[in-house]
Amino acid sequence: KNEVEQSPQNLTAQEGEFITINCSYSVGISALHWLQQHPGGGIVSLFMLSSGKKKHGRLIATINIQEKHSSLHITASHPRDSAVYICAVSQGGSEKLVFGKGTKLTVNP
Amino acid sequence: DAGVIQSPRHEVTEMGQEVTLRCKPISGHDYLFWYRQTMMRGLELLIYFNNNVPIDDSGMPEDRFSAKMPNASFSTLKIQPSEPRDSAVYFCASSFYSLSGLGYNEQFFGPGTRLTVL
Repeated sequence: KNEVEQSPQNLTAQEGEFITINCSYSVGISALHWLQQHPGGGIVSLFMLSSGKKKHGRLIATINIQEKHSSLHITASHPRDSAVYICAVSQGGSEKLVFGKGTKLTVNP
Repeated sequence: DAGVIQSPRHEVTEMGQEVTLRCKPISGHDYLFWYRQTMMRGLELLIYFNNNVPIDDSGMPEDRFSAKMPNASFSTLKIQPSEPRDSAVYFCASSFYSLSGLGYNEQFFGPGTRLTVL
């Protein structure tokens, strides 16, 4: 069993819809990262969090340490949000990241 | 800053050949990471350095792989001899540690090197 599980694997939405991507992990962590990988292949860090909630524009990331679960929300989705979203965790005292398999999001106009 | 720089962007080679991938981290960053991404296994950490010293190389697949960081602004990942199963996209990333907040910070990824071994 992978230490980091994401759901769904694939997600198709219509422009304007509210999107939720989930991430569950089975180990103690020091931080959880959400990354975005565009079709061209480049990877960008969206959020790094260890508790609570963070917001950046239309993106919101939440984490529940007790339940070992995080969600990434996209409000008012747009075709340019189409990408693979990857959850990753780092464990105490280490910079080493363990990655989920990613969620491929397609937003249709 | 130009961001993390990787070269080459694409590499096609034949089985048995030596391959060297290069990375220049963001100036001032003291952590450097090498990752491999394949369809089957997703993103995997190969090795990471702190202040030019290798900290964790447990992800390096086998002795054919080696990585060096001779100074703060340059790192190489070498595969010798290369095999078709090494075909993947190899990413380099860098970050820095700060005493405020979480300590560890987000990682900045390079554009990747797409390696094809025939």
